[in-house]
Amino acid sequence: NFMLTQPHSVSESPGKTVTISCTRSSGSIASNYVQWYQQRPGSSPTTVIYEDNQRPSGVPDRFSGSIDSSSNSASLTISGLKTEDEADYYCQSYDSNNPWVFGGGTKLTVL
Amino acid sequence: QVQLVQSGAEVKKPGASVKVSCKASGYTFTTYGISWVRQAPGQGLEWMGWISAYNGYTNYAQKLQDRVTMTTDTSTSKAYMELRSLRSDETAVYYCARENCSGGSCYIDYWGQGTLVTVSS
Repeated sequence: NFMLTQPHSVSESPGKTVTISCTRSSGSIASNYVQWYQQRPGSSPTTVIYEDNQRPSGVPDRFSGSIDSSSNSASLTISGLKTEDEADYYCQSYDSNNPWVFGGGTKLTVL
Repeated sequence: QVQLVQSGAEVKKPGASVKVSCKASGYTFTTYGISWVRQAPGQGLEWMGWISAYNGYTNYAQKLQDRVTMTTDTSTSKAYMELRSLRSDETAVYYCARENCSGGSCYIDYWGQGTLVTVSS
């Protein structure tokens, strides 16, 4: 089984850019797509990125996703931070033996 | 619009079973699979399993496969998740979620509102 490791928390000021990383412990990050989910306090998760870098309709282009094979990690970047972006963010991927694996989540504080 | 509406909160004793429902609307139910994901208080997301609404094929997380059963009723566009022999550490919010699959890859595109299951003596 592989794991996805995220920083516990990140913080940044409104208007700035923040990047949240998600490192895969074994197997190539490029082998299987990575998704990112946003969960505001008291709410269900919503999808902000799928298939590494695709945005569902309605998700602003301030949200972008990428993968880096050299560090075996995926990243979620949020530019032009707004207070409404304050939430927990989870990455998720899979392989043939593990249908869905979630990262531990990153709490984003916009202060 | 796509909606997944789950059944209400449940309180169960250790060792009991719970069955959570998830009613889908706004799309053709049999075209998509349903995943179940749970979240213990203050904790992260944990995938429990998946069911195809087309043919009922299931794939369960290994740690739960002896105690969980997922089913669908295509006549009512409902999915169900039953978990048996509940433990107190399984107090959590249980989510159903629609899986969108294409080209061999899948992702969740819609989530239910969640159902709080409290396991306590």
